[in-house]
Amino acid sequence: GAVVSQHPSWVICKSGTSVKIECRSLDFQATTMFWYRQFPKQSLMLMATSNEGSKATYEQGVEKDKFLINHASLTLSTLTVTSAHPEDSSFYICSARRQISNQPQHFGDGTRLSIL
Amino acid sequence: GQNIDQPTEMTATEGAIVQINCTYQTSGFNGLFWYQQHAGEAPTFLSYNVLDGLEEKGRFSSFLSRSKGYSYLLLKELQMKDSASYLCAPSGSARQLTFGSGTQLTVLP
Repeated sequence: GAVVSQHPSWVICKSGTSVKIECRSLDFQATTMFWYRQFPKQSLMLMATSNEGSKATYEQGVEKDKFLINHASLTLSTLTVTSAHPEDSSFYICSARRQISNQPQHFGDGTRLSIL
Repeated sequence: GQNIDQPTEMTATEGAIVQINCTYQTSGFNGLFWYQQHAGEAPTFLSYNVLDGLEEKGRFSSFLSRSKGYSYLLLKELQMKDSASYLCAPSGSARQLTFGSGTQLTVLP
C-alpha cells in the first residue's frame, strides 16, 4: 500500500490564487521530505528539501517566497504556491524516505496544478 | 553538481530483454536508484545499488559500477505494461535524488 499520501490530486484555480499541497508519510516518521516539479515530457526537478522543525533548503532558481514549505511535524510537509500564475501549472510531487540507511524515497501520487 | 545521461527512447518487443544504460557524474554518492514512471503518474521504486555488481529482483535487474559512473537496468520477459519512462537517479551526499530525463520505453506486441 501507499506509504506517502499527497493531497489534493488535482487543482484547477484562477490566476492569483494560493494553493496548498499536503504530503504525509503514512507509517513512518520523515524528518526530511522532498518536493519536485515536473513539466510535460521533462524530468523531475528537485525544488526543495523540507526539513522538520527548520527552514527548507531550496534549489537554485526556486523562489522561496513563492513556494512556501512548512514541515511542522514528522509526518507532514506542505507546499504552498502563492499567487499562482499559469506558468506555475505543473505536476508537483513529494517524496519521503525512512531514516534507515539505503531506504528508497517513496513518492506521493502527485498533484496536477492548472492555473487558468 | 550532477550530470546524468540515459537514452531518450527505446523500443522492444513483448517477451524480449532490454537494457537501459545510465552514466552519471555526481559530487558525493550514496547509491543509485531506478524508478519507473507511467505517464501522468508519480515514480515507483524499482531498484537500488550502492555497491558494485548486479542486483536481481524478479524480471528486473540493476547493475552498478561506481568507478565508471555507470549503471544499467535490465528488463526481462517484457510485457506491454512495462511501457513507461525509466528514471536513473543517483543519490547525493545529502541523500537527495537527481533524476535524469528518463528513457521512454515502448513495448510492441
